[in-house]
Order: sequence, then structure tokens, then C-alpha cells
Amino acid sequence: DTEVTQTPEHLVMGMTNKKSLKCEQHMGHRAMYWYKQKAKKPPELMFVYSYEKLSINESVPSRFSPECPNSSLLNLHLHALQPEDSALYLCASSLRVGGEKLFFGSGTQLSVL
Amino acid sequence: GEDVEQSLFLSVREGDSSVINCTYTDSSSTYLYWYKQEPGAGLQLLTYIFSNMDMKQDQRLTVLLNKKDKHLSLRIADTQTGDSAIYFCAESMHETGANNLFFGTGTRLTVIP
Repeated sequence: DTEVTQTPEHLVMGMTNKKSLKCEQHMGHRAMYWYKQKAKKPPELMFVYSYEKLSINESVPSRFSPECPNSSLLNLHLHALQPEDSALYLCASSLRVGGEKLFFGSGTQLSVL
Repeated sequence: GEDVEQSLFLSVREGDSSVINCTYTDSSSTYLYWYKQEPGAGLQLLTYIFSNMDMKQDQRLTVLLNKKDKHLSLRIADTQTGDSAIYFCAESMHETGANNLFFGTGTRLTVIP
């Protein structure tokens, strides 16, 4: 199993809604990542979890709240988002911190109305 | 280590070779990667090269690294219509013990039948 699974595939939410994005991997990877990709742009790192602890937060606004409940799961809780937060949100994992291969999920396409 | 550049577009005829180029600025990069992204999908790791290597070949893919000029290229032999996608190069930086990928702007490859 070399998959990183993200749900949902698509999400439409209003600016007052609370929603969560989910990511799961069963490769035994201990580093997990959230990236944000705007249309026609490269992905940009948001958060890195290492052994279930947050190790990098790239100055992301607090309306994005990551959570790593166990070594296989990574969530991104969304609250009071803005229309400019509409993007493809990609989850990735690697065997360990500094591991050379990052495997990406297929992403959640988020639209904020 | 955050300035990774690629040309935006490349068109080739089916059966020809494609060469996608990338320049990066940080000489302390440890790994350099090529990812493929099809429309509406996540990133698929195609291949990667350690910074002390000059070349890596994997079936139809050949990666060349010129560390002196900080230039990376991906050659796709016998290009097929299924190779049409956006190709991102990325360099890996180790920060605070975690992996962080900096992506190039992406090259949209169009294969003409």
C-alpha cells in the first residue's frame, strides 16, 4: 500500500462553516504534511508533523488548525475561512523526517463561498 | 533555497523526446525531485536524484543534474499522450529536522498526437 488517501475530494463551504479535511496513510510513515496549491501555482507548505508532533507551521492563519491523532491520520480543521482560501489542499507523508520520498494524496478541492 | 524556476510550457509530438528544465539556487539541496500532476489530481513522484549524483535513468525517464550550474533536467523518451501534464521540479531542504520541498513553477507539457 503506497497510497495517501484524502477525503473529501471536493468541499464547498460558507465563510461561517466549520469543516475538516482528512488524510490517511498506512505505510508506517512518521512525517505528514499539509500543502496548499492555488490554481496554476506550485504547492506551498503549510504544516509538518513529525511523530505526531507539529514541527513546522509556515505562518499559517489560525483559521486553519491541524491535528495528528495518531501516526496514520492527519486532519485539517477549517473555521471562518475566506474566499481566498479556496485551493487544492494536498496531504503528503514520508517515512521519517528527512526521508527522501514524499508521497502525495490526490487532494481536496476546497471552494469557500 | 526557495527560488526554483522552470519554463511554463512545452509542446512535443508523440514519439519524440521531451526535455523539461529546472534551475535552482540553493547549493545545499540534498535531493531534487520530479513530480507529475494531471488536471484535478495530486502530485505523483516520478523520480528523484541525490545531490551527489549526475544522472539517473528509470525506464523512459532520464534525470541529469549539473550541480555547478544548479541545473536539473528531465528527459522523457518516446513521449506519449498520457504524458501530458504539469511537471514540477522540487528541491529538498532539511529544516529543523523535517523535510521541506520547494517547488518550481511547473511546466505544462502538451503532447500532440
